[in-house]
Amino acid sequence: EVQLVESGGGLVQPGRSLRLSCVGYGFTFDDYAMHWVRQAPGKGLEWVSGVSWNSDIIDYADSVKGRFTISRDNAKNSLFLEMNSLRAEDTALYYCAKVSHANYFYYYGLDVWGQGTTVTVSS
Amino acid sequence: DIQMTQSPSSLSASVGDRVTITCRASQSISSYLNWYQQKPGKAPKLLIYAASSLKSGVPSRFSGRGSRTDFTLTISSLQPEDFASYYCQQSYSTPWTFGQGTKVDVK
Repeated sequence: EVQLVESGGGLVQPGRSLRLSCVGYGFTFDDYAMHWVRQAPGKGLEWVSGVSWNSDIIDYADSVKGRFTISRDNAKNSLFLEMNSLRAEDTALYYCAKVSHANYFYYYGLDVWGQGTTVTVSS
Repeated sequence: DIQMTQSPSSLSASVGDRVTITCRASQSISSYLNWYQQKPGKAPKLLIYAASSLKSGVPSRFSGRGSRTDFTLTISSLQPEDFASYYCQQSYSTPWTFGQGTKVDVK
């Protein structure tokens, strides 16, 4: 079964750091671009960051640029999001998701999503 | 950044109704527009990619149309399982952006 499993969320104080992980199962992980999308409580979806299959394309939302770092380890079928200088407005459910078409970063949608991991930033 | 504007933000409908949701991009995104369905407490589900391509396994009552800046998602005959929120998303350029969502509930 194709699935993504996130972990690493939790309660953290403002200004502190957290590292999210996502492991892919049931597909050839290193063929696909991967993305992080978040959803604040009761709000809509917000794209956070994406990385191409070979990490040659990486980009971030303006709201997290300079604070968050995306990376992947294809040998371990894993995606990461290092989050520094966390703010209250970063509080959200964080999803990892894969692009539907192999070797594409742009153009296609996200066809497999994890269950999400919750990040709460509060003192 | 490309802004995505969905309308309406919510609508009430009955089983069997034809429902249309509109999404407008602030600049041309060619056909790189995707539609998702999200139910409470669940991850989003991809319905349509590249404006009009139905993802495998998605019922044929869902259809998408449009190009450049104007797009629609149509549900031809609303079913009980279709009451949910729907989001458009452009994958033409980063930062990827989503519409604000349309909540479809029971009339």
